[in-house]
Amino acid sequence: KNEVEQSPQNLTAQEGEFITINCSYSVGISALHWLQQHPGGGIVSLFMLSSGKKKHGRLIATINIQEKHSSLHITASHPRDSAVYICAVRFENYGGSQGNLIFGKGTKLSVKP
Amino acid sequence: EAQVTQNPRYLITVTGKKLTVTCSQNMNHEYMSWYRQDPGLGLRQIYYSMNVEVTDKGDVPEGYKVSRKEKRNFPLILESPSPNQTSLYFCASTPGVAYNSPLHFGNGTRLTVT
Repeated sequence: KNEVEQSPQNLTAQEGEFITINCSYSVGISALHWLQQHPGGGIVSLFMLSSGKKKHGRLIATINIQEKHSSLHITASHPRDSAVYICAVRFENYGGSQGNLIFGKGTKLSVKP
Repeated sequence: EAQVTQNPRYLITVTGKKLTVTCSQNMNHEYMSWYRQDPGLGLRQIYYSMNVEVTDKGDVPEGYKVSRKEKRNFPLILESPSPNQTSLYFCASTPGVAYNSPLHFGNGTRLTVT
């Protein structure tokens, strides 16, 4: 079964802490997205990965294809990083469908000042 | 400005009254898709379109219709809405799945069916 699991479900951190959010999936993928959703509800795409590592500012995303695992790291966390972070995966073979995205349930991050 | 525009932002309707939620993008993207977001269930894909006149079902297509007559527009149609379709809906686009590019999301439509 094609599944996406995120952990932790909830995360509270103090400002300045290093944060890691994990995403595991069950079978081979062609792409993995990390998304951010602020309390207002809008969704922003942070990264799209098919291999390796990407960095944007204080955010770093990595993917290990062999272990079927991706991590999103936030360095020097800030209260404005408080949001829900969502992993989304496009599986290589999802019933013959190339365009379907499967989402994790999200990680709710709260960064306290 | 490059964007995905959804309308309306909020919609309250009654069971059985047909409605359409519009989605338009100005980035010449090939791929467009619709999602619903529910507490405890997260985001789930309803329908997607790889290009004009090409649409395919996502994980939860029941009760929804879509059309892709032109590249920029991808409306979501609820022919006979029911209360279990009360949800937060998002449209998104990307240049194409082969490009493995980021997704661009609309601002969302909060639908309530009574």
